[in-house]
Amino acid sequence: DSGVTQTPKHLITATGQRVTLRCSPRSGDLSVYWYQQSLDQGLQFLIQYYNGEERAKGNILERFSAQQFPDLHSELNLSSLELGDSALYFCASSSIMHSGYGNEQFFGPGTRLTVL
Amino acid sequence: DQQVKQNSPSLSVQEGRISILNCDYTNSMFDYFLWYKKYPAEGPTFLISISSIKDKNEDGRFTVFLNKSAKHLSLHIVPSQPGDSAVYFCAASARTGNQFYFGTGTSLTVIP
Repeated sequence: DSGVTQTPKHLITATGQRVTLRCSPRSGDLSVYWYQQSLDQGLQFLIQYYNGEERAKGNILERFSAQQFPDLHSELNLSSLELGDSALYFCASSSIMHSGYGNEQFFGPGTRLTVL
Repeated sequence: DQQVKQNSPSLSVQEGRISILNCDYTNSMFDYFLWYKKYPAEGPTFLISISSIKDKNEDGRFTVFLNKSAKHLSLHIVPSQPGDSAVYFCAASARTGNQFYFGTGTSLTVIP
């Protein structure tokens, strides 16, 4: 158990809809990262928050947004969903802000999103 | 643009033998590398890391080797055990950058 929790585990929805994925980081971790893993793909970095502030952005679509709340949990909002958004979405946390040495991220179990 | 590549989608090894998983990268600015292990229905779990100032890092049965000139790293598991059967991801980052780049993973099967 990494200490990172994600809800829900599974989500099935229709094209055009909007969903919210939730992540609670490990106790004490200030950084939260969101990743997308599509079929046969590696983990694609979407966005990072550190202590409530957006820290880094990767290949995140404009239809996607995220935020980190004062209690450090984070939500990833996906809107105008398309079939291609079907994927596993992982949240990870770490105690470190930067992406360099010592940043060993702890991953949640993921949310599997299916868009029909 | 896949900056971290794992060209072998799968690998099968007999129990007790050595497993060697490979990873190549293209960005010469990468200076920190990690390996993660992932079981089905779970998130990736950190396994071992190496900084670019080293060429080898060892932790029990797991050793990571880094060849900076070839932009190549490998993970050696000796001896391999059935519980090592999982998908292994390598990842890389640059001190001057802002994210980790992951490979597509290699599925390791250790045959009893």
